Amino acid sequence: QSVLTQPPSVSGAPGQRVTISCDGSSSNIGAGYDVHWYHQVPGTAPKLLMYGDNYRPSGVPDRFSGSKSGTSASLAITGLQAEDEGDYFCQSYDTSLSGSVFGGGTKLSVL
Amino acid sequence: QVQLVQSGAEVKKPGASVRLSCKASGYTSTSYYVNWVRQAPGQGLEWMGMINPSGGITRYPRMIQGRVTITRDTSTSTVYMELSNLRSEDAAVYYCAKSQMISGYFDFWGQGTLVTVSS
Repeated sequence: QSVLTQPPSVSGAPGQRVTISCDGSSSNIGAGYDVHWYHQVPGTAPKLLMYGDNYRPSGVPDRFSGSKSGTSASLAITGLQAEDEGDYFCQSYDTSLSGSVFGGGTKLSVL
Repeated sequence: QVQLVQSGAEVKKPGASVRLSCKASGYTSTSYYVNWVRQAPGQGLEWMGMINPSGGITRYPRMIQGRVTITRDTSTSTVYMELSNLRSEDAAVYYCAKSQMISGYFDFWGQGTLVTVSS
C-alpha cells in the first residue's frame, strides 16, 4: 500500500487532455513538501518529469504541468501523444516516515 | 554527462545477503545524496534509503531498517547497498538515484539491477 494514492490507470485519445491525481496527507503533501513526478517506460528507469510541484526539467515539453492544493497534487498532460504512454509516479517527502514516499503509479494509455 | 552505473543482476537464496553498487560520474559525487529505490515486478516504487556521500550519514525507512545498509567509497565515487536476510518479496529491480536534498527529487537514475530471490 503506497503512502501517496494515484488512480491505477487513465486513458485519452491523441490530442486530448488528461490529469493524474496524487493524494497524500498532512504529513507529506499537506505539510508543504514538494511533489515531483516521474515517467517510466516499461523496462527502463523512471525519468524526472516535474519537480517542485510545477517545474519542468530541461527537455520536458510545456504540454506537461503540475499543481498542488492542500493534501493533493495533480499532473496534467495536454495534446496527448503516443510517446506519453507509460507509468507515472508522484513522489514527496513524509515527515512521519522521515523519508521519500511514492504513489503507486498510474498507467497512461493513449487510445 | 551525469551517469550512475549499477552492478549486474544477482540471484540469491532466501536468507542470504546481496550487495549492489552504483558508480557515479560526470558530477561532484560528494555534493549530492544517493538514494536507493526498488520496484517489485508490476509494482510501484519504494524508497530504500539514502546516503550523504560527503559525511556518510544515512537514512532508512523504518520498515526495512536493520536489514539495509548503505555505504560509500569516496575514492571511487561508488555507493553500495547491502540487503540482508533476503525474502521472496525482496525480488525487485533496484535503482540508485541522486538528489540534492534529503527531501528532494531524483534527477538522475541508474539503469537498475535485477535481484532474484529463489531457493
